[in-house]
Amino acid sequence: ETGVTQSPTHLIKTRGQQVTLRCSSQSGHNTVSWYQQALGQGPQSIFQYYREEENGRGNFPPRFSGLQFPNYSSELNVNALELDDSALYLCASSSWTVTGELFFGEGSRLTVL
Amino acid sequence: AQRVTQPEKLLSVFKGAPVELKCNYSYSGSPELFWYVQYSRQRLQLLLRHISRESIKGFTADLNKGETSFHLKKPFAQEEDSAMYYCALSVNSGGYQKVTFGTGTKLQVIP
Repeated sequence: ETGVTQSPTHLIKTRGQQVTLRCSSQSGHNTVSWYQQALGQGPQSIFQYYREEENGRGNFPPRFSGLQFPNYSSELNVNALELDDSALYLCASSSWTVTGELFFGEGSRLTVL
Repeated sequence: AQRVTQPEKLLSVFKGAPVELKCNYSYSGSPELFWYVQYSRQRLQLLLRHISRESIKGFTADLNKGETSFHLKKPFAQEEDSAMYYCALSVNSGGYQKVTFGTGTKLQVIP
């Protein structure tokens, strides 16, 4: 059983650029969710994907978008980067039938200069 | 809207002492509560969930709906318990399993 993997692990962008983060979910999981974790804070839900559709969203603007692919892997895209987007981005996979039990990747640390 | 509060950023205890990590929540419905843990240089992982009512690594947590609390307890702290602990509340909203995390408490067990 392979765990959740994320890429890249670290990246630096400048304000106004766009970024794509990638996630491979744990085998057998059909739900992927993305979280933003700012320094000193807990993870905050960005959105969740189930069967390639976004089925829920936290309090994040539309410039945060995503995709889920037929193999349940996922992408997080952030357009028009702002300094406050600097954070650790976590991907978590889960089974649709098991509420709240999330399996996390190690995260992608984004720095926006 | 749901909210999770962990009042302590840092909790330092001596090895062998009891541990209690506090968690309070705000939610009008029936909550599903969890504790997640992140050990040094490891990923965030589930420690325990309230519906299973089990003890994991000696930790237990009881849901108190009257006090809206879900405190994490262990009678005797071990050095390997040093980690970051997050309390989390899961709400199912039309299929969206929104999980809200607290800000976390760093547990430091002093040898």
